Amino acid sequence: GENVEQHPSTLSVQEGDSAVIKCTYSDSASNYFPWYKQELGKRPQLIIDIRSNVGEKKDQRIAVTLNKTAKHFSLHITETQPEDSAVYFCAASRSGGTNAGKSTFGDGTTLTVKP
Amino acid sequence: DSGVTQTPKHLITATGQRVTLRCSPRSGDLSVYWYQQSLDQGLQFLIQYYNGEERAKGNILERFSAQQFPDLHSELNLSSLELGDSALYFCASSVAQFPDTQYFGPGTRLTVL
Repeated sequence: GENVEQHPSTLSVQEGDSAVIKCTYSDSASNYFPWYKQELGKRPQLIIDIRSNVGEKKDQRIAVTLNKTAKHFSLHITETQPEDSAVYFCAASRSGGTNAGKSTFGDGTTLTVKP
Repeated sequence: DSGVTQTPKHLITATGQRVTLRCSPRSGDLSVYWYQQSLDQGLQFLIQYYNGEERAKGNILERFSAQQFPDLHSELNLSSLELGDSALYFCASSVAQFPDTQYFGPGTRLTVL
């Protein structure tokens, strides 16, 4: 089955700096890669996602890049703000074959943005 | 507010008991997913239903079962509860059968004493 590894597990940056979180996946058939932000005690919320037919996607200060050959995708947050502090999860899934629909999540990255 | 509702918010019960968690998806969403989030773990996919049929299964214990009803709401049944079942249980919904934007509910916090 799919295995997703996420690094780093914790990340501390100064306000205004950039933050990068990287995930690698094992199943070459995976074709959907969302990123979720989860604040303490709250639900995960989708912040950006990318499909395998696209190499990069950007939404204001957030971007995701995908390298299908190397089987890794990364979340980039620029101009970080204290309200970006949260746990970020990556996930991978595929739309065909056995267990299509199953999302495999990384273990999460705790991002702290210091004012 | 994602539009996904879950009840109850909190549940405290004893080992060996059985509980039912309920989820109502966003209007128009046909897929429902269940996840378990323990204190020291990330999100673990349990099961997915699409329009009443089971579509994908994760590491769901045999003591756990789920179903999706004709009105598309879903229930997750947990039986013979153990201390280790204490966790946050999230349900999410999406429009499509295959992986797509998922909207998470607020979760049910289950505590097994």
